[in-house]
Amino acid sequence: DAKTTQPTSMDCAEGRAANLPCNHSTISGNEYVYWYRQIHSQGPQYIIHGLKNNETNEMASLIITEDRKSSTLILPHATLRDTAVYYCIVRPFSSGSARQLTFGSGTQLTVLP
Amino acid sequence: GAGVSQTPSNKVTEKGKYVELRCDPISGHTALYWYRQSLGQGPEFLIYFQGTGAADDSGLPNDRFFAVRPEGSVSTLKIQRTERGDSAVYLCASSLRPQGANGELFFGEGSRLTVL
Repeated sequence: DAKTTQPTSMDCAEGRAANLPCNHSTISGNEYVYWYRQIHSQGPQYIIHGLKNNETNEMASLIITEDRKSSTLILPHATLRDTAVYYCIVRPFSSGSARQLTFGSGTQLTVLP
Repeated sequence: GAGVSQTPSNKVTEKGKYVELRCDPISGHTALYWYRQSLGQGPEFLIYFQGTGAADDSGLPNDRFFAVRPEGSVSTLKIQRTERGDSAVYLCASSLRPQGANGELFFGEGSRLTVL
């Protein structure tokens, strides 16, 4: 499985965009990039995923570089409720096993008032 | 309920005791997963069920851990002869289908196990 590298922590001012980077330089052609987040004392929550095109949903945008070796999760207008640990995960397209959803240590995002 | 339900939310036990943790997945979700999360770490995969059968149990740390899903819905994670190192939050997740291209997992809030 491709390994991901994320900063340990980041701060963001409330109302500003939060840009969370992720490096996955060993990603394979059949691997998707997934983002989950985990608010304190809750289970992880799916945010978004993508293969090579940029993606946007009601929660966030995902920008994947052309070489697919890195990506950025963008929360356009961060709120205090977005304070959480954000996990970037790469996973094969056709997986017969859930093992490939492998969480690292993630990035602790703190949104400041 | 609308989401994944896990009980108990907190369990304190003594070393050597037997523990059962229950997971009630979202109705209609055929895939069910157990993860374990230690303090300050990301969730660690334990086992995956597709229907009633364990499709992948390669994450179970040793034979003290066992999980069942007899009717393809509710699952129970069983831990025998608990050790202090088993203390963690045990997370359950379900998904509508096995992790294909849109393999979004829905997680419960977890069961916090403390072994004294």
